[in-house]
Amino acid sequence: AQSVTQLGSHVSVSEGALVLLRCNYSSSVPPYLFWYVQYPNQGLQLLLKYTSAATLVKGINGFEAEFKKSETSFHLTKPSAHMSDAAEYFCAVSPHTGGFKTIFGAGTRLFVKA
Amino acid sequence: DTGVSQNPRHKITKRGQNVTFRCDPISEHNRLYWYRQTLGQGPEFLTYFQNEAQLEKSRLLSDRFSAERPKGSFSTLEIQRTEQGDSAMYLCASRASPEPGVYEQYFGPGTRLTVT
Repeated sequence: AQSVTQLGSHVSVSEGALVLLRCNYSSSVPPYLFWYVQYPNQGLQLLLKYTSAATLVKGINGFEAEFKKSETSFHLTKPSAHMSDAAEYFCAVSPHTGGFKTIFGAGTRLFVKA
Repeated sequence: DTGVSQNPRHKITKRGQNVTFRCDPISEHNRLYWYRQTLGQGPEFLTYFQNEAQLEKSRLLSDRFSAERPKGSFSTLEIQRTEQGDSAMYLCASRASPEPGVYEQYFGPGTRLTVT
């Protein structure tokens, strides 16, 4: 069965600092991988996705993630945090078959300090 | 096209009452998914439809839960005899299938259910 582990339920950074949110997955074959962002009382918005093309994926709002098969990781980074980045971030996996239901991690809440 | 919509956005009900939520997917999307999200957790898969057919249901979907998509467009999720443990955000998502290169789901804003 596939699973997702997000290391750190809360991450706090200063404005302008590097953002690093960690995600490891468990799957017998490399799945599709996603990062979603959720603002309070809203649905999820796709930040970026990995679908077996380039291992370094660029997304919206300056975020990017690198797929590392050897480490089964898909960490999310942003060089310089902005106050508007404060939100909940979810790493997710989706198998290549079975309806593409998505399995989410528990989430990491990002706090940005002025 | 304004995306996935869900109604109502908030629902407060007393334990034991029945509730029904509606999801309108993006019009050309034939796959529709329901998820449940409790506080501090990621969304958990409940069920999904391809057109009007319900193809998979999670073990989380007890006998008190039923979902329909009668004409392959909008979907409803009904919870009978609600319990306090049903309090959560219920999210709907849709996806076009097949569409090469597009594997992500598009989420609605959710319906927050509070059972008192």
